[in-house]
Amino acid sequence: ILNVEQSPQSLHVQEGDSTNFTCSFPSSNFYALHWYRWETAKSPEALFVMTLNGDEKKKGRISATLNTKEGYSYLYIKGSQPEDSATYLCAFRNAGNMLTFGGGTRLMVKP
Amino acid sequence: ETGVTQTPRHLVMGMTNKKSLKCEQHLGHNAMYWYKQSAKKPLELMFVYNFKEQTENNSVPSRFSPECPNSSHLFLHLHTLQPEDSALYLCASSQVSDQPQHFGDGTRLSIL
Repeated sequence: ILNVEQSPQSLHVQEGDSTNFTCSFPSSNFYALHWYRWETAKSPEALFVMTLNGDEKKKGRISATLNTKEGYSYLYIKGSQPEDSATYLCAFRNAGNMLTFGGGTRLMVKP
Repeated sequence: ETGVTQTPRHLVMGMTNKKSLKCEQHLGHNAMYWYKQSAKKPLELMFVYNFKEQTENNSVPSRFSPECPNSSHLFLHLHTLQPEDSALYLCASSQVSDQPQHFGDGTRLSIL
């Protein structure tokens, strides 16, 4: 069983605040790390797929970093907006063909 | 519009019923997946198909039977399910297995 942990489980921030959360995963047999955004009553939406140690990816106000040697990835949101409210999921892929998801971080941004 | 369509959106069935969930994608993807989301648990991969061939079965009970007749369609056949099988079942697809996955809206399944 692969252990993919996300913290915190939930987070309340004020509009305009910047925030970040963590995904930790096994550091051995790494192949890729995925981030998804899942809004209530919608389907999960891919944000990033990261494969190289030291990778840094950005999409608008959202960015992510990857450290495969120590087994963690950070997701950052700059200047949070109410529409950023969602559950953010990370998923670890080893050399096999399976994604193992973390439990998610539920972000709520108050206007 | 997600590009991945799941039907039905909601399903209530008894433990002795047989039903099927359907997933369809028109994104030209070659890999398709079934996931289960139970309350307060992480999203859990059930099955993976690459080019219509099943490549992963994540120790799923035989009362769940997948079928992939072509690269655009994926079914999950359900038979004699248990109350603990009540969950949200999500289908996803990707170009190849290491690309980002596109998810459907899911089928909310309730077993009476």
